[in-house]
Amino acid sequence: NAGVTQTPKFQVLKTGQSMTLQCAQDMNHEYMSWYRQDPGMGLRLIHYSVGAGITDQGEVPNGYNVSRSTTEDFPLRLLSAAPSQTSVYFCASKAEGRSDTQYFGPGTRLTVL
Amino acid sequence: AQSVTQPDIHITVSEGASLELRCNYSYGATPYLFWYVQSPGQGLQLLLKYFSGDTLVQGIKGFEAEFKRSQSSFNLRKPSVHWSDAAEYFCAVGAGQAGTALIFGKGTTLSVSS
Repeated sequence: NAGVTQTPKFQVLKTGQSMTLQCAQDMNHEYMSWYRQDPGMGLRLIHYSVGAGITDQGEVPNGYNVSRSTTEDFPLRLLSAAPSQTSVYFCASKAEGRSDTQYFGPGTRLTVL
Repeated sequence: AQSVTQPDIHITVSEGASLELRCNYSYGATPYLFWYVQSPGQGLQLLLKYFSGDTLVQGIKGFEAEFKRSQSSFNLRKPSVHWSDAAEYFCAVGAGQAGTALIFGKGTTLSVSS
């Protein structure tokens, strides 16, 4: 199993540009989520999904869109990038049981100029 | 709303000394609690987790944590710190439906002096 994969690893955008951060998992997990990590702020939940076709907002959803058309994929879209979205983004997945472990991807480092 | 507080932003411990990292949570029901570690430039590694039962939880790399409901705490401990333990440590609580996602504390950076 590849686990949770994220692409790209690094990305530089200009203000106003759009892009999609890709996240995929091959563990057949129903639950997936996106976090951003900023210095001194820990990881903050952006959006999450409990299954294909079902998404919900986390702590910091503004400026981000998500969709979940398949169990495997959970892309995060930035429609109009802003410098405040410069961050490291982590995707995670877990099975449905509350005791199941959350598995994190390696992260995407995004810089918005 | 769920929240996690890690009161110490930065801690320095001598190599071989004991370590305790503090974590306090706010959660209405029985919390599911986690400790993760992140080395510089790396991803997150799960150290241990608590769901129920024994309040003292053993993890990897010699770490343990104790759940104290009366104090809303889940402190991480290690009896003897190694230089390789220098990293950032995050406490988290499971949130949402069946712990769909995690609410993290802001982290504690551990430095190890020789």
